Amino acid sequence: QVQLVQSGAEVKKPGASVKVSCKASGYTFTSYDINWVRQATGQGLEWMGWMNPNSGNTGYAQKFQGRVTMTRNTSISTAYMELSSLRSEDTAVYYCARGNPLTPDYWGQGTLVTVSS
Amino acid sequence: DIVMTQTPLSSPVTLGQPASISCRSSQSLVHSDGNTYLSWLQQRPGQPPRLLIYKISNRFSGVPDRFSGSGAGTDFTLKISRVEAEDVGVYYCMQATQWYTFGQGTKLEIK
Repeated sequence: QVQLVQSGAEVKKPGASVKVSCKASGYTFTSYDINWVRQATGQGLEWMGWMNPNSGNTGYAQKFQGRVTMTRNTSISTAYMELSSLRSEDTAVYYCARGNPLTPDYWGQGTLVTVSS
Repeated sequence: DIVMTQTPLSSPVTLGQPASISCRSSQSLVHSDGNTYLSWLQQRPGQPPRLLIYKISNRFSGVPDRFSGSGAGTDFTLKISRVEAEDVGVYYCMQATQWYTFGQGTKLEIK
């Protein structure tokens, strides 16, 4: 069965970077896009960008351009999302979701990133 | 950017009764490939989102048939024929025709 398993919770100081991983199993990793979506506590869903694991091509929401980098390691079927220059407003749960295509069909369990001094 | 607007934002429903959520996009969601990438997601408390409906009206694997989607162009609807206790949560419409954007979410609760 398709599974996306994300890395554990992180606590970071303002100005630092965080890198969240998303390990895929149950399907061919390079055949489907990976999207990243975040959700602040009590708030709605916010799309951050996508990556094609086969080519490495990416597309980022304008809000995050310059601060987000999405990469992958195909040998271990894992996608990564790195967000830099963290501020308190980046405190949120970060999700990866498979794009099938342009339809987020399977989601990771989420990774809580807390930004606090 | 395409803006997605959901109504209502909160929906108290009696168990066994129907529920309906509307979603309107700021521009047509018909993609250049002819498909309309409008999905509905359910998020139960403390859980990640779960895909219910894709391309307007297609139920995802394992989704009960009491959930249905309809619409075209810029106006879309999610209907639950008979609400059950497990349906409590927040429902989001989402478009992927031009990047991805989500509606604000509709909280479904039991009266």
